[in-house]
Amino acid sequence: DQQVKQNSPSLSVQEGRISILNCDYTNSMFDYFLWYKKYPAEGPTFLISISSIKDKNEDGRFTVFLNKSAKHLSLHIVPSQPGDSAVYFCAARFSGAGSYQLTFGKGTKLSVIP
Amino acid sequence: DGGITQSPKYLFRKEGQNVTLSCEQNLNHDAMYWYRQDPGQGLRLIYYSQIVNDFQKGDIAEGYSVSREKKESFPLTVTSAQKNPTAFYLCASSLRTANTGELFFGEGSRLTVL
Repeated sequence: DQQVKQNSPSLSVQEGRISILNCDYTNSMFDYFLWYKKYPAEGPTFLISISSIKDKNEDGRFTVFLNKSAKHLSLHIVPSQPGDSAVYFCAARFSGAGSYQLTFGKGTKLSVIP
Repeated sequence: DGGITQSPKYLFRKEGQNVTLSCEQNLNHDAMYWYRQDPGQGLRLIYYSQIVNDFQKGDIAEGYSVSREKKESFPLTVTSAQKNPTAFYLCASSLRTANTGELFFGEGSRLTVL
């Protein structure tokens, strides 16, 4: 059973417009949520995170919003640039027994069209 | 430069052979992880280790083995018992008490079974 879901496998956006990537989760025990960006044949790189006690975190062009009651988070990229074209993974952290594990969604492939 | 080094980047194996993927980090991180990525599947946790000489199974540990004899190293062996080993393997590390849960990933190793 998938605990972290990214229901859109792909998204296309015009350069300069806003990109919105969505993520849903089922486990209310997750305490941190992260977004990773991945290019083909490379390892993912950390983009931005948000604590479960916050509802918004902003870093430059990237903003993550968390709606705990809906168990939903989203990543906004404004303005979108061609270099943002990549696969974006949503991840959620579970902390228990002194260990930390990340559960990843299946990813959304973002294509920014010049 | 600090980081995570995975080798080899590409590896071919005949059916029935064991193969070991190397992962070395010089970030002084306590925790290390192995993930597997398949097309459209996201990242799935194979094994993780919080401290030297200790490791735990992840969601898909069957057919894999690991060791953690040194803090810097966390090799993964893909055994002949793994039924579908062709995949992209990612090693990651983190501080054991990371506040944000951020993982640092290597560049990955692509294993192909012939």
